[in-house]
Amino acid sequence: DTGVSQDPRHKITKRGQNVTFRCDPISEHNRLYWYRQTLGQGPEFLTYFQNEAQLEKSRLLSDRFSAERPKGSFSTLEIQRTEQGDSAMYLCASSLRQPQETQYFGPGTRLLVL
Amino acid sequence: AQSVSQHNHHVILSEAASLELGCNYSYGGTVNLFWYVQYPGQHLQLLLKYFSGDPLVKGIKGFEAEFIKSKFSFNLRKPSVQWSDTAEYFCAVYTGTASKLTFGTGTRLQVTL
Repeated sequence: DTGVSQDPRHKITKRGQNVTFRCDPISEHNRLYWYRQTLGQGPEFLTYFQNEAQLEKSRLLSDRFSAERPKGSFSTLEIQRTEQGDSAMYLCASSLRQPQETQYFGPGTRLLVL
Repeated sequence: AQSVSQHNHHVILSEAASLELGCNYSYGGTVNLFWYVQYPGQHLQLLLKYFSGDPLVKGIKGFEAEFIKSKFSFNLRKPSVQWSDTAEYFCAVYTGTASKLTFGTGTRLQVTL
C-alpha cells in the first residue's frame, strides 16, 4: 500500500510528557499537512509543508507544538509538556504540487493525555 | 475566514431511502469543494470533488453533489442508500487564500436494514 502512513496509531501519555508522531506521505507528494480532530468536530488545520519548508501554521499550533520535515519526505509532529486538552486524533495528509490538488489522509494517531 | 456548515449532525435512514446531506460555505471567491467519508474504523477517504466546470459532480459508490454558487452550497446526494454507507461524511472547502482545507463538523449517517 502506498498511501499515507502514520506512526504510532495510538499513544497514551501522562500530562507533562513529550510525544512525537511521524507521518510518511505518498512518495511523489511534495505537500504535507497536519490536522487535529476532536470528537464531534471535523479536522482542523495545524500546519503544512511544501517540501522541507513549513509555509503556514495555524494559531491552534501553540509554542508547545513543533513540526519538521527535514528532507522533504517524512514529517514529525512533537508536542512538549502535553496537556489533557491535547487529547485528539492527529491526522496527516499529503498532496501533489498544485495547492488545490486532493489531499489524501493517513489513518491518524490517536493521543490520550491522562 | 472561510467556514463550512453541515446542518445535519446525525441522519438515520432505512436502506433504499434517498439521501441528501447539506453543506454550505462562506467565502465570496473561487472555491474547490470536497466531500470526504470516514467509514467506521477507517481513515478519511475522498468521495468526490468539484474544481470547475459541470456543477454536478459524480463520485464513488453512486454519490453525487451539486455546486450551487448562488446558494454557496454543495449538497451530497445518493438516490438509494445501502447499509454499507453508514459512515461520517465531511464537507470541505479549499479557497486558495490559505493552503488548507476547512472542514464542516460532519454528518453521521446511520443506515438501518
